[in-house]
Amino acid sequence: ETGVTQTPRHLVMGMTNKKSLKCEQHLGHNAMYWYKQSAKKPLELMFVYNFKEQTENNSVPSRFSPECPNSSHLFLHLHTLQPEDSALYLCASSQDLPASGSTDTQYFGPGTRLTVL
Amino acid sequence: SQQGEEDPQALSIQEGENATMNCSYKTSINNLQWYRQNSGRGLVHLILIRSNEREKHSGRLRVTLDTSKKSSSLLITASRAADTASYFCATATDSWGKLQFGAGTQVVVTP
Repeated sequence: ETGVTQTPRHLVMGMTNKKSLKCEQHLGHNAMYWYKQSAKKPLELMFVYNFKEQTENNSVPSRFSPECPNSSHLFLHLHTLQPEDSALYLCASSQDLPASGSTDTQYFGPGTRLTVL
Repeated sequence: SQQGEEDPQALSIQEGENATMNCSYKTSINNLQWYRQNSGRGLVHLILIRSNEREKHSGRLRVTLDTSKKSSSLLITASRAADTASYFCATATDSWGKLQFGAGTQVVVTP
């Protein structure tokens, strides 16, 4: 139990569907992250939020749309996805956005296993 | 290009043996972190070693860092079946320390 929860844990969707992934952290952290994990590949950082403001969009296609209404919640809205978007989507949080010479530990949720048909 | 690369990609050992895995990286770092991931789950932080540290211990874990060789190793002593997981190194490199992860070492410990 890391203090970061994600729902749903599994999601199967068609290419024309619209769905949302939810992440909630109970740690009082200020920074939150979305990562994509595909088989046999390194984790890919998608988005970073600090105090609800997006600070990083790592060239993610517009069919992925993040939303951070407050420091505790992070959403990833999905629409018109492709089969290659099937992956484990991980949310993480850290106390603060890393500053020069100081990078906090990140706490990960259990992930949402997404399958796009 | 990938910053951290773990070696080996997979490791199979018996309970009680030690498991060693290595991580190499390309650019200078301010710290290096090791994480563990059980199948289909999120990552769990194991240990952080700063660029001015050479060795760190946490329970049965021992991490070394050689900044001259741009490499780190993770040693798990007296392994248990419950240590079966994938292990990732992550490096913090630039001024705001975005973590970059390797592809991981998959460790299987058989009873």
